[in-house]
Amino acid sequence: ILNVEQSPQSLHVQEGDSTNFTCSFPSSNFYALHWYRWETAKSPEALFVMTLNGDEKKKGRISATLNTKEGYSYLYIKGSQPEDSATYLCAFGDYKLSFGAGTTVTVRA
Amino acid sequence: EPEVTQTPSHQVTQMGQEVILRCVPISNHLYFYWYRQILGQKVEFLVSFYNNEISEKSEIFDDQFSVERPDGSNFTLKIRSTKLEDSAMYFCASSEPGTGNSPLHFGNGTRLTVT
Repeated sequence: ILNVEQSPQSLHVQEGDSTNFTCSFPSSNFYALHWYRWETAKSPEALFVMTLNGDEKKKGRISATLNTKEGYSYLYIKGSQPEDSATYLCAFGDYKLSFGAGTTVTVRA
Repeated sequence: EPEVTQTPSHQVTQMGQEVILRCVPISNHLYFYWYRQILGQKVEFLVSFYNNEISEKSEIFDDQFSVERPDGSNFTLKIRSTKLEDSAMYFCASSEPGTGNSPLHFGNGTRLTVT
């Protein structure tokens, strides 16, 4: 079992503010790092799959960076909106993903 | 947009009974997976399936578990003799052909309650 850690466990953001949170993973034998958004009563939805050190990916107001040498990835939400409220999961591996426990983001109007 | 569908959404069973969880992956996907999340814990990998055989499985996936693709569309997870600790949300997922870098497409899950 590969240890994937996410912090913080939860955070509250005021609408319009920007925020970021972390995923850390083993820095050896890197294959890919996935980010998923998981809204209540829905299925996890893929945001990004990142494979290269220094990768930066963007989808609307959400972006992610990757540092494979030190074993971390940041997810950024710019100008948070209530619809960004969800649990954000990162996962590490190839065909067998190890998930972090998630960061639950609550955006207050 | 094509999606992964799972049935039933909720299954209650008695300890020792067999259950079959069903999934219809996205039609052109070739890799299929089962994951589960026990309440309050992380999502855990159970098994991956490719080319009609298991490609990887976790230590959780013991002899009580089996997977099958009985036809061209369904992908099932069978638990032969359920235990209380099998209670969890079970997610099916599929991914496109290619490398292991493809994102997973998850179903909405089946909540299994073993009493």
